[in-house]
Amino acid sequence: GIQVEQSPPDLILQEGANSTLRCNFSDSVNNLQWFHQNPWGQLINLFYIPSGTKQNGRLSATTVATERYSLLYISSSQTTDSGVYFCAVINFGNEKLTFGTGTRLTIIP
Amino acid sequence: DTGVSQDPRHKITKRGQNVTFRCDPISEHNRLYWYRQTLGQGPEFLTYFQNEAQLEKSRLLSDRFSAERPKGSFSTLEIQRTEQGDSAMYLCASSLAQGARAEAFFGQGTRLTVV
Repeated sequence: GIQVEQSPPDLILQEGANSTLRCNFSDSVNNLQWFHQNPWGQLINLFYIPSGTKQNGRLSATTVATERYSLLYISSSQTTDSGVYFCAVINFGNEKLTFGTGTRLTIIP
Repeated sequence: DTGVSQDPRHKITKRGQNVTFRCDPISEHNRLYWYRQTLGQGPEFLTYFQNEAQLEKSRLLSDRFSAERPKGSFSTLEIQRTEQGDSAMYLCASSLAQGARAEAFFGQGTRLTVV
């Protein structure tokens, strides 16, 4: 099956810093989503972005499908941004999301 | 619409007991997924439904697990003869599949602890 790898696995930043999270996938995809998992375990939708670039406030994401990667940018980090960020994809011929390994982000006041 | 709803939020059970979880998807979403997440890992696919038809089951879904989606609305996931290894967060998601577009939305999860 498709492999989804995220980097870095852990990231610790000072409040106000910017960060870039990366998601690499091993096969062509027709769906890609970024999620933030809150401390209670719920997966919050950040972006649905199988290709191109989107922005939502301090967050933006870019997917280069032909090169099989996606990036999530967080600017001016706040402590509420802490948590685990997951990338998840659906590859062609498939109907289910396959999740990456996650990036644990910790923002220090 | 209040999003995907799961019940209960937490369940503690003794080994060997049966448990059942419920998921109510977003109205009119035709796809419903079940995932399992253990500590420090990403969610792993268990099974999914298109309307009332169960179209795919993971090898993770042993014969102790069964899922239903009667009438294509809510879904239940039952685990029989629970084992300590079943302790995990069980997540439900739904999507409205229209061609290739199928953005999934997740519920708050049911955290199962088997003692």
